[in-house]
Amino acid sequence: NAGVMQNPRHLVRRRGQEARLRCSPMKGHSHVYWYRQLPEEGLKFMVYLQKENIIDESGMPKERFSAEFPKEGPSILRIQQVVRGDSAAYFCASSPGGKGQETQYFGPGTRLLVL
Amino acid sequence: QQQVKQSPQSLIVQKGGISIINCAYENTAFDYFPWYQQFPGKGPALLIAIRPDVSEKKEGRFTISFNKSAKQFSLHIMDSQPGDSATYFCAAGYSTLTFGKGTMLLVSP
Repeated sequence: NAGVMQNPRHLVRRRGQEARLRCSPMKGHSHVYWYRQLPEEGLKFMVYLQKENIIDESGMPKERFSAEFPKEGPSILRIQQVVRGDSAAYFCASSPGGKGQETQYFGPGTRLLVL
Repeated sequence: QQQVKQSPQSLIVQKGGISIINCAYENTAFDYFPWYQQFPGKGPALLIAIRPDVSEKKEGRFTISFNKSAKQFSLHIMDSQPGDSATYFCAAGYSTLTFGKGTMLLVSP
């Protein structure tokens, strides 16, 4: 039973480029969460999605960041026109969803470095 | 306020000792309190979780103590081992999770 998969594991972008981070949830999980982790910091919630729906995006920066979880395929976190401050580890988690099914299982993360 | 405050920031414990990490939350709507363990370069891994209808939960060497009236919960690691050296995060929430800033635990041989 494969866990949460994220790719790429490492991504290097120059300022102004676009970054696309992918997340495939665990089998049977329909809820996906994205978190950002800065060095020496905890995880900051960004967005919570179900298939084809954004449930909570209260942690997403208002500009340049977007997320989707299409009917088919992985969830995508997209960062347009990256800046050095976007350098961080981005983690995806998934859960089955529903009351009593809140346990979130994390992927290995994508480490984004903006030059 | 959605904060979860975690202490200490770092902790050194001798092998065989007890490691204790504390967290406090503010939002009384939170009803799920997990602890995660993270090794360098890896994603967080769920250790143990508790709901507010119980005051304690034990799984192996790991115990969560929960005080609903004080809005506090803690992780106890009994018989700490060098392999337990990692960063530990508490979290709280109901659908999404709010994380503490983490505690770096070093268990000396």
